[in-house]
Formats: sequence, C-alpha cells, structure tokens
Amino acid sequence: EIVLTQSPATLSLSPGERATLSCRASQSVNKYLAWYQQKPGQAPRLLIFDASNRATGIPARFSGSGSGTDFTLTISSLEPEDFAVYYCQQRSNWPWLTFGGGTKVEIK
Amino acid sequence: EVQVLESGGGLVQPGGSLRLSCAASGFTFSGYAMTWVRQAPGKGLEWVSSIFGSGGGTYYEDSVKGRFTISRDNSKSSLYLQMNSLRAEDTAVYYCAKSSSSWPYYFDYWGQGTLVTVSS
Repeated sequence: EIVLTQSPATLSLSPGERATLSCRASQSVNKYLAWYQQKPGQAPRLLIFDASNRATGIPARFSGSGSGTDFTLTISSLEPEDFAVYYCQQRSNWPWLTFGGGTKVEIK
Repeated sequence: EVQVLESGGGLVQPGGSLRLSCAASGFTFSGYAMTWVRQAPGKGLEWVSSIFGSGGGTYYEDSVKGRFTISRDNSKSSLYLQMNSLRAEDTAVYYCAKSSSSWPYYFDYWGQGTLVTVSS
C-alpha cells in the first residue's frame, strides 16, 4: 500500500495569502496524483489531476506540482471560499487507490 | 448537468446487510468507471470499490473483499453496493463517485453521500 502523508495538518492563513500544501508518498507515484477540496458537509471536489492539470472549472489560483514522492498544491491568493480540507490521492498503485490524511486550511 | 445521488444508508446491526444505490444522470453512464469512497465520522477518505463501465471488472479494498459487492445497471444508469456482514468499522458516509475517464483513476463528480451506521 502506498501511504500518502500530508503536511501540515492545519494551515492558518488570512484571505489573500499564499497557501502551500504538501503531500509525500511512501514510494514513487510518478505523476499520478490528484488533489481534492472538501468543505464541511459537502462532497469532495476534484481540483488537480496527474500532479499539475487543473480539472474543469477550477480557478487558476490553484496549481499543483511535483513528481515521484513529493507534491505540492499551491493556492496563490486565498479567497474566502478556499478555506476547507484538502486531500491528495494517488492512482499509481491502481486499483489500490489511497488518499492522504488531509490538510485543513483555516482562517487565521 | 452531471448528477449522482446516493440512497439506501441507515442504521444496521453488526452482521447485518444493506444495499446502497446511486442514480446517475447527465452523462453516458456506461462510458465511465464508477467508484464507492467512504469517510468515517471526522476522518479522511477511503477508497472502497470500483467497477468499469461495462461492469466487467470489479475491485475492492482488502477489508471489504468478500463482504461487499459492487454492481451496476447501465440501462438504469445506476450503481449499487451490496454490503454484508457489516462491522462497526464500516460506519461512514458512503460516496458514489464518477471517474473522470473510462478508468477508475480520479473522480470528477461525487454525490452528497449516504450515512451507514453499524451499531447495536
């Protein structure tokens, strides 16, 4: 099983600030990593797939980078609606898909 | 507009059974793999099971293998999850998710989830 470790667990920032979230894999997942956003009481929303490709309708302030074992989700300037929990997910070891434990981005 | 809507959750005793359903619309259902993902209360996301568009390939997370069965009816644009021998650790919100391609790699549309509670 590929374990995904997300850090930090909680990120406290103000609107307008830059958010940098990390996801580290226990072994290489090549570029096969996605990021999701989940707000309280809502379903997850796909943001990024294959490490750096934005999903349909996702604003340009969201960007993903990385390959191998280290990945980053960057939100260039936080909007009020961006405060949520973010999860990474690998598909390299399909069908055994795994998710990270999540990073909560909260208002400082 | 793509929509997926789960139903069938509820309270069940340990060892009991439950069948979840997911009604999909707004896309060619048979052309996409579908997946069940669960989320225990206050916890993260966990992949449970996936099925290809044709229904010919099914895959399960180890802890549910032999207890859960995923299936689909393309004529009804519906996905199902038959859950038997339920355990307390199966308690979670179960999401039905559409894959972003014919392969069950990533998930671009999710339902709102249905809560399954396993308790005596």
